[in-house]
Amino acid sequence: DTGVSQNPRHKITKRGQNVTFRCDPISEHNRLYWYRQTLGQGPEFLTYFQNEAQLEKSRLLSDRFSAERPKGSFSTLEIQRTEQGDSAMYLCASSHRDRGGSEAFFGQGTRLTVV
Amino acid sequence: QKEVEQDPGPLSVPEGAIVSLNCTYSNSAFQYFMWYRQYSRKGPELLMYTYSSGNKEDGRFTAQVDKSSKYISLFIRDSQPSDSATYLCAIDTGFQKLVFGTGTRLLVSP
Repeated sequence: DTGVSQNPRHKITKRGQNVTFRCDPISEHNRLYWYRQTLGQGPEFLTYFQNEAQLEKSRLLSDRFSAERPKGSFSTLEIQRTEQGDSAMYLCASSHRDRGGSEAFFGQGTRLTVV
Repeated sequence: QKEVEQDPGPLSVPEGAIVSLNCTYSNSAFQYFMWYRQYSRKGPELLMYTYSSGNKEDGRFTAQVDKSSKYISLFIRDSQPSDSATYLCAIDTGFQKLVFGTGTRLLVSP
């Protein structure tokens, strides 16, 4: 296992289109997180899953955003009716609940540009 | 007040210098503290994590937490040009949900 994998790496879309990103976590990790990062800022928490259950959503996650993790493995993040303000790096991270510490490992991110 | 405050830099040092990167945080209940390194257009890479107060060393990197002052630090000894990156402090606010600082951009010149 080579770590957290995210696809695509880059996405350019027109305003108003829908986009979907995929995250494959480290295989034995049962927790999966989505973050958003804009230029010059640290990542901001969006939502997280434990297995297939979505346990928390940030108020940053508007109704146009939806995330799923149907079988407790990979996850998808969909943005409907994209806006220019959605342009950002979308990061996925995973961790294992039963291990001590707070080691969350990130993927390389999906960079979204809305034109 | 932000939960985590971090000077954005940039911080420029010559090769071989000792680098000190710092963050302050607001909630004394936080217990787990992390440092991530992020190269341009890449995802954050976990460097260090510490629990509660104290020091943790890994090679040229030392992480330090002072809970009484709500202050966390990362020291880099013998800095190298390859250390040039953005360094993000992060705090676990529960369930490994992280709050990050803005990141400090470090430039190490040969």
